[in-house]
Amino acid sequence: QVQLQESGPGLVKPSETLALTCTVSGGSISSYYWSWIRQPPGKGLEWIGYVHTRGSTNYNPSLKSRVTISVDTSKNQFSLNLSSVTAADTAVYWCARGIMVRGVIYFDSWGRGTLVTVSS
Amino acid sequence: DIQMTQSPSSLSASVGDSVTITCRASQSISTYLNWYQHKPGKAPKLLIYDASSLQSGVPSRFSGSGSGTDFTLTISSLQPEDFATYYCQQSYSTLTFGGGTKVEIK
Repeated sequence: QVQLQESGPGLVKPSETLALTCTVSGGSISSYYWSWIRQPPGKGLEWIGYVHTRGSTNYNPSLKSRVTISVDTSKNQFSLNLSSVTAADTAVYWCARGIMVRGVIYFDSWGRGTLVTVSS
Repeated sequence: DIQMTQSPSSLSASVGDSVTITCRASQSISTYLNWYQHKPGKAPKLLIYDASSLQSGVPSRFSGSGSGTDFTLTISSLQPEDFATYYCQQSYSTLTFGGGTKVEIK
């Protein structure tokens, strides 16, 4: 069964770049929509974006100017970079595996999540 | 963006009750609708995809229905492990989630 594990700093300073990596184990990284999703404290879930192993990306327009998601198939990892962070980017961040069936994209496997706090 | 509105935002129910949660899209999304269960400190869990398809391993007391703009998630006989927050998610356009419905013990 595929497992996902997020890694990266738990504290980031305002205006800096938040960088997280997700390591995929127990399954192939090929042919899925590898995604990042977050939840600010007390709020709902927000999709950040995804990268497909063929190289295409799709980002939430509200974050698009600050987000880069990339994949390294040789390491079975994909990464999130979110630039110019503010306190509003404080959230639990999950990596997730997206599957497309009949045009529907759903997330069937998730990491355990990592809390990232933006503070000086 | 397509807005997803869930109702109610919270509900109280007893073990054995039947519970229905509604998700309404701001425009038609066909059946591009999924449901997740989320417990504090855990990863969200996929329950239903494509509006009505039960994810493998999910108990049959969970069911989904709907198309277009109106969707429902039904839990036919609430179990103690079902107390959680439930989210809908659409993938017709920019992926968005509903605001969540917290199911609490009465």
